[in-house]
Amino acid sequence: QKEVEQDPGPLSVPEGAIVSLNCTYSNSAFQYFMWYRQYSRKGPELLMYTYSSGNKEDGRFTAQVDKSSKYISLFIRDSQPSDSATYLCAMTPVHYTGANSKLTFGKGITLSVRP
Amino acid sequence: NAGVTQTPKFQVLKTGQSMTLQCAQDMNHNSMYWYRQDPGMGLRLIYYSASEGTTDKGEVPNGYNVSRLNKREFSLRLESAAPSQTSVYFCASAGQGVYGYTFGSGTRLTVV
Repeated sequence: QKEVEQDPGPLSVPEGAIVSLNCTYSNSAFQYFMWYRQYSRKGPELLMYTYSSGNKEDGRFTAQVDKSSKYISLFIRDSQPSDSATYLCAMTPVHYTGANSKLTFGKGITLSVRP
Repeated sequence: NAGVTQTPKFQVLKTGQSMTLQCAQDMNHNSMYWYRQDPGMGLRLIYYSASEGTTDKGEVPNGYNVSRLNKREFSLRLESAAPSQTSVYFCASAGQGVYGYTFGSGTRLTVV
């Protein structure tokens, strides 16, 4: 079992839909959870960051962490064609940068929002 | 603009040729990373440098070497390119107090 599993997709939704993207993980030491967005032919960019369990909201985006289930989600409300991108989850045991703080990434899911 | 700069953006190599991918960051970050991204495989860590003067192997280091030239620059070298090294290569950096990594825009490498 890989440390981080992410639904492979691709996912296609109509404009205005609510999108749910999910990752599961096996390493209970993970404490810091991130979602990256990657547009075609660009580098990934940090979208959301959460620590431990709970929810975090930023505009139309909500990141949710359930450590008891080892499950994280990213919700996109009122999805727009501009949200079409690949979304990668990432996580790490420690925040401080160093040898032990390497991020473990999911493989990413490609989302297409149809006008 | 502040961030991570990668050069070149595109490169075509013949099998057996060598090349160096350059990466520089201007955010005073301590840690730097090299990833490759392939369809269906996600991001795979090749090498990383936790701080200036140190480098360590990642998940897929074979066929690559790295140099942390100074705090700003981290280069990736392919000594004898193989078609299996056709990929998109990303450099990233991270610093204390900063959440997550900042990625460059990538180098698209084709080995024929």
